[in-house]
Amino acid sequence: AQKVTQAQTEISVVEKEDVTLDCVYETRDTTYYLFWYKQPPSGELVFLIRRNSFDEQNEISGRYSWNFQKSTSSFNFTITASQVVDSAVYFCALSEAVDSSYKLIFGSGTRLLVRP
Amino acid sequence: DADVTQTPRNRITKTGKRIMLECSQTKGHDRMYWYRQDPGLGLRLIYYSFDVKDINKGEISDGYSVSRQAQAKFSLSLESAIPNQTALYFCATGLAVTDTQYFGPGTRLTVL
Repeated sequence: AQKVTQAQTEISVVEKEDVTLDCVYETRDTTYYLFWYKQPPSGELVFLIRRNSFDEQNEISGRYSWNFQKSTSSFNFTITASQVVDSAVYFCALSEAVDSSYKLIFGSGTRLLVRP
Repeated sequence: DADVTQTPRNRITKTGKRIMLECSQTKGHDRMYWYRQDPGLGLRLIYYSFDVKDINKGEISDGYSVSRQAQAKFSLSLESAIPNQTALYFCATGLAVTDTQYFGPGTRLTVL
């Protein structure tokens, strides 16, 4: 069985602080994909990043960075110099191939509140 | 225009009523999905379709049915709505190669 754990239910920071959202996953497959999605207060789900299990390079996109470590089954997300607009619920998700199809398993989400 | 659209965006209905949620996409993706989101539970897969002739149950399909009318359209039906189906429903589309899923804006459904 596969599982995604986001242990931090809610995080509150002051603007300009750095913040890391944790994601730990469980899978028995060697080929899988990991994702992060953002759900702002308006409710839509915005795709942020996709990473395959064979690529352990960290990725940076502006103020966002992701740290993928297979040894600890973690795919953590860091926002540098947070802004009020970063306030949202962030979901980590795992996709692995089952009978030639991929299914996304979502974590329960981390609510980030960035205070001015 | 949005790539994935859902109608209605909000709906209040009564127990026992039949209701249909519709999803349309202009992304040209073969794969389409329906999820529901409940507070504290993330998103759970209801049904998914890899092409017009392919329909598959997800982890919580009981009480729901779907129809893939065309590559671009995927509808979710609640034959007899019950209060615990009150949730936020998302449609998503995806490409087989990358399996990144792109979500619609969501439909907030309340069953009284």
